[in-house]
Amino acid sequence: AQTVTQSQPEMSVQEAETVTLSCTYDTSESNYYLFWYKQPPSRQMILVIRQEAYKQQNATENRFSVNFQKAAKSFSLKISDSQLGDTAMYFCAFLTSGTYKYIFGTGTRLKVLA
Amino acid sequence: DADVTQTPRNRITKTGKRIMLECSQTKGHDRMYWYRQDPGLGLRLIYYSFDVKDINKGEISDGYSVSRQAQAKFSLSLESAIPNQTALYFCATTPGSGGSQETQYFGPGTRLLVL
Repeated sequence: AQTVTQSQPEMSVQEAETVTLSCTYDTSESNYYLFWYKQPPSRQMILVIRQEAYKQQNATENRFSVNFQKAAKSFSLKISDSQLGDTAMYFCAFLTSGTYKYIFGTGTRLKVLA
Repeated sequence: DADVTQTPRNRITKTGKRIMLECSQTKGHDRMYWYRQDPGLGLRLIYYSFDVKDINKGEISDGYSVSRQAQAKFSLSLESAIPNQTALYFCATTPGSGGSQETQYFGPGTRLLVL
């Protein structure tokens, strides 16, 4: 079975610092997609960044970047210059192109401290 | 206006009552999903639909049913609500084509409390 593991239930970071959230997954598929979603206190799920497994280059969106290690099945999210508005729950998610069913990790609650 | 809407946003009901959660989307997407979110468990898939005539069970479909009334509407029903169905429920859509369009778009969520 495919699984997604987020081993850090809670993290905190000082404003303007950098933080990395971990995510590992398990699959035998070679073609898939990976996502990070943010859920602020408003509870809305917001896409942060996505990565296609066939792309070797790590995705970047402004202050957010990923470290995609396909062989290690690791997909970590780095947030640079953390801002108070980054305080949220972060979910890692996985999708295989064949099933179109998304699998989510259990989330990491990030708190940015002033 | 929001692309994916859910009604109601919050609901309190009693054990044994029937309740329907509704989802509508204006994105023109074929694929629609229902999830529930519980603390410490992330999002778990209840049902999903790839078109009006294609409905599939997710990992936790027991106690739930769905109806895809149209491409834009996907409703989730709890026939006889029980307290452990207390959760945050999300509807989501995806375009249904490959490449860079596999991102899920979520509704604002429905918080359900079953007493």
